[in-house]
Amino acid sequence: QSLLTQPPSASGTPGQRVTISCSGTKSNIGSNAVSWYQQVPGAAPKLLLSGNIQRPSGVPDRISGSKSGTSASLAITGLQSDDEADYFCAAWDDSLSGVVFGGGTKLTVL
Amino acid sequence: EVQLVQSGAEVKKPGESLTISCTASAYTFTDYWITWVRQMPGKGLEWMGRIDPRDSYTNYSPSFQGHVTFSVDKSINTASLHWSSLKASDTGMYYCARVVSGSADAPFDSWGQGTLVTVSS
Repeated sequence: QSLLTQPPSASGTPGQRVTISCSGTKSNIGSNAVSWYQQVPGAAPKLLLSGNIQRPSGVPDRISGSKSGTSASLAITGLQSDDEADYFCAAWDDSLSGVVFGGGTKLTVL
Repeated sequence: EVQLVQSGAEVKKPGESLTISCTASAYTFTDYWITWVRQMPGKGLEWMGRIDPRDSYTNYSPSFQGHVTFSVDKSINTASLHWSSLKASDTGMYYCARVVSGSADAPFDSWGQGTLVTVSS
C-alpha cells in the first residue's frame, strides 16, 4: 500500500481539463516538495513537475501543479491523446527518511 | 544531453547473484546522487534508495535494506545495483535516476531506460 494516495484512474476527452490528486501526511507532502512523473507504456518515467509547481524545460505550460497542506494536484489542460499515460506523485518522507511514491493514476483520453 | 544508460535484461535463477549497471554521461557524475527505483510487473514505482558518488554514502529504503547493495565506480561514471541471492519476488524493472545532491526532496530529473530482471527456476 502506497503512502501517497492517488486515484487509480482518470479520464477526459481531447481539449478537456483533468486533475489528478495526491494525498499524503504531515511527514511527507506536509513537509516537503512534491514531484510528478509521467510514464508512457513501455517507457521509463519522465519528470513532469518538481518543487510542487516547477516545470522542467520541455514540459508544456498546459501542465501545472499545486499543493495545499498534505495534498497536491496535477492539472492538465487542453488534453491530448499523447497525454495518455500513468502519472505518479512522489515526496520525501521525514519519518521514513526516504522517498515515497503514490500508487499511480492511469489517465485515459477518450 | 544527459544520459543514463543501463545494462541489458537478465534472466536468473533463485539464489543466484546479479549486478546491473547504470552509466552516466554529459554531466559531472559526482554532482548528483544516483537513486534506484523498482517497478514490479503491472505495478507502481518503489524507491529502493540512493548513493552519493562522491563518497559512496548510501541510504536504503527499509524495504530493501540488507537485500541489495549499491556501489559506484567514479572512474567510469557508473553506478551498480547488486543482489547476492536473488528471489523470485525480485522480478521487475529496475530504473536508475539522478538526483541533485544535498536536497532530500530533490526530483529525479533524468532516468535510465530500465533493466528488466527476471528470476525464475
